[in-house]
Amino acid sequence: DGGITQSPKYLFRKEGQNVTLSCEQNLNHDAMYWYRQDPGQGLRLIYYSQIVNDFQKGDIAEGYSVSREKKESFPLTVTSAQKNPTAFYLCASTETGRNTEAFFGQGTRLTVV
Amino acid sequence: QKEVEQNSGPLSVPEGAIASLNCTYSDRGSQSFFWYRQYSGKSPELIMSIYSNGDKEDGRFTAQLNKASQYVSLLIRDSQPSDSATYLCAVNTAGTYKYIFGTGTRLKVLA
Repeated sequence: DGGITQSPKYLFRKEGQNVTLSCEQNLNHDAMYWYRQDPGQGLRLIYYSQIVNDFQKGDIAEGYSVSREKKESFPLTVTSAQKNPTAFYLCASTETGRNTEAFFGQGTRLTVV
Repeated sequence: QKEVEQNSGPLSVPEGAIASLNCTYSDRGSQSFFWYRQYSGKSPELIMSIYSNGDKEDGRFTAQLNKASQYVSLLIRDSQPSDSATYLCAVNTAGTYKYIFGTGTRLKVLA
């Protein structure tokens, strides 16, 4: 079955640590996205990538980094520079072109301990 | 001004009533509009998409788009308790692959 797989589902980070969230898709989509969602809030765009080896900052990129070495994979690293990383992180992908819906993974819930 | 705005709610409606959810956007170049439903702790799932002015119906759901006024709405007829969720409006700006989401409206359907 085609879809987007995020792992892990739950992740705990100690203060000062970097952690990497995985996102893999087998939908053959060119564009991929990372969003952050805080309790009772909407989705805020962190980074997005339209093609391999290229990505753009979203509205809240500070403290995060990404890579897009393969079409299928778009990992997100939450660095120690992100002071308030506790949130629900969602990865999505879309086909290129107009009028395309976003498909989401199941999310990773990150908690700082 | 936020790019995509929604009333956070909660919007409470009795079972069987019509729920009306609204969304406004700031970029006049926006071309694609989506409504997603999100249950607590889960990822969003697509309910409706709309690309041209007017109404689009799918079962109990109707999406309405007015580009001149820069708003998009979602009507849910015969609301059911299972419709209780947060509804997110998303907009895709022309010429980019940037999807912007609103903060969502929490809907409660009372049995």
